[in-house]
Amino acid sequence: DTGVSQDPRHKITKRGQNVTFRCDPISEHNRLYWYRQTLGQGPEFLTYFQNEAQLEKSRLLSDRFSAERPKGSFSTLEIQRTEQGDSAMYLCASSLAQNTEAFFGQGTRLTVV
Amino acid sequence: GQNIDQPTEMTATEGAIVQINCTYQTSGFNGLFWYQQHAGEAPTFLSYNVLDGLEEKGRFSSFLSRSKGYSYLLLKELQMKDSASYLCAVRLRRQLIFGTGTRLQVFP
Repeated sequence: DTGVSQDPRHKITKRGQNVTFRCDPISEHNRLYWYRQTLGQGPEFLTYFQNEAQLEKSRLLSDRFSAERPKGSFSTLEIQRTEQGDSAMYLCASSLAQNTEAFFGQGTRLTVV
Repeated sequence: GQNIDQPTEMTATEGAIVQINCTYQTSGFNGLFWYQQHAGEAPTFLSYNVLDGLEEKGRFSSFLSRSKGYSYLLLKELQMKDSASYLCAVRLRRQLIFGTGTRLQVFP
């Protein structure tokens, strides 16, 4: 499979716990995006990497959220001290260049109980 | 702020044609994308417009008017499998801003 892959596909966690998600983009894509999507809404932008540099972060991304892309390949998104409001689908996407389409992974569905 | 508006829901009949509109007011513009998303699945790319006019791709066409901040997605010869959400997205410098999506239901 040469698409964008995300792991895990589902995560249930207790409020207050930390969680980490992983995204492996399409191998030649140097641009990587994280989005969050709740039911009935479009994806909301969280953050953007070009290679290993995190070039943009949404104001939605509180200090409990951190993302990394250490070698410009895979990326991780960590949420500390999870809250029930963090329950959502977390989508990762990658693209080859600025004005080409972004390809999305299947997402990680997070449920905070 | 950024604003992208789409109808929330639409219904249509198998074999018919449906047009999904999208209007946008954004701080920048580097192109407009349409994505299809089936329930519980990832968005998949349908079309991209950066210049005014119509782009046709099989049963799907997309139109853009930058001066009016307006786009539409046209789906022809509707099939049951076209029942999905259709997301309009504007590319800014470093991100895609999505609308809330239009949920299309196709009936036999």
